[in-house]
Amino acid sequence: EVHLVESGGDLVQPGRSLRLSCAASGFNLYNFAMHWVRQVPGKGLEWVSGISWNSGTIGYADSVKGRFIISRDNAKNSLYLQMNSLKPEDSALYYCAKDAGIAAAYFDYWGQGTLVAVSS
Amino acid sequence: QSALTQPASVSGSPGQSITISCTGTSSDVGIYDSVSWYQQHPGKAPKLMIYEVTKRPSGVSNRFSGSKSVNTAALTISGLQAEDEADYYCCSYAGTGTFDVLFGGGTKLTVL
Repeated sequence: EVHLVESGGDLVQPGRSLRLSCAASGFNLYNFAMHWVRQVPGKGLEWVSGISWNSGTIGYADSVKGRFIISRDNAKNSLYLQMNSLKPEDSALYYCAKDAGIAAAYFDYWGQGTLVAVSS
Repeated sequence: QSALTQPASVSGSPGQSITISCTGTSSDVGIYDSVSWYQQHPGKAPKLMIYEVTKRPSGVSNRFSGSKSVNTAALTISGLQAEDEADYYCCSYAGTGTFDVLFGGGTKLTVL
């Protein structure tokens, strides 16, 4: 059974950094692209970033480009999101989502999310 | 990167059918057959309901169907049931040679 478990969410001050992790189990991460999607509580979904199976293709939403870095370690079945220069508008629940293929751009499994709060 | 456009809310009575629209542009919905739909109940993670415009994952009721015309995709739910009450989001691939994905703003479905 596929499981995605996010961790690393915290309360941080504006301008600081945070690293999110997503531990995958029940499938071989090596075969799939992976994504981060965020959601402000009570608001809609926003795609944040995606990474191909071999890290050769990476994309970011304009709202985080230049500040966030997505990476993966297939040997550890893990996905990461390094979040730098955090802003209050980055406050959200961050979901790790499995791509249905190598770059299908739709998400067949989701974690339960990790909460990031950016405030002074 | 502009979000896809969905109605904020739709409603219907049990047994009825409803359709949720999702309007994009010729750079996303109009050019790619990578439109997907997600159902989200309060406090829960989103669930994939439709992918590649019209396909249903295993386990999703055949009461859910998808379609697309030019730049607008649509999700139709027939035979509405109380458990269908949720938020629904459309999603489309929007990039060439890189990852660029757009979500719609979401539609709250109320079953009267």
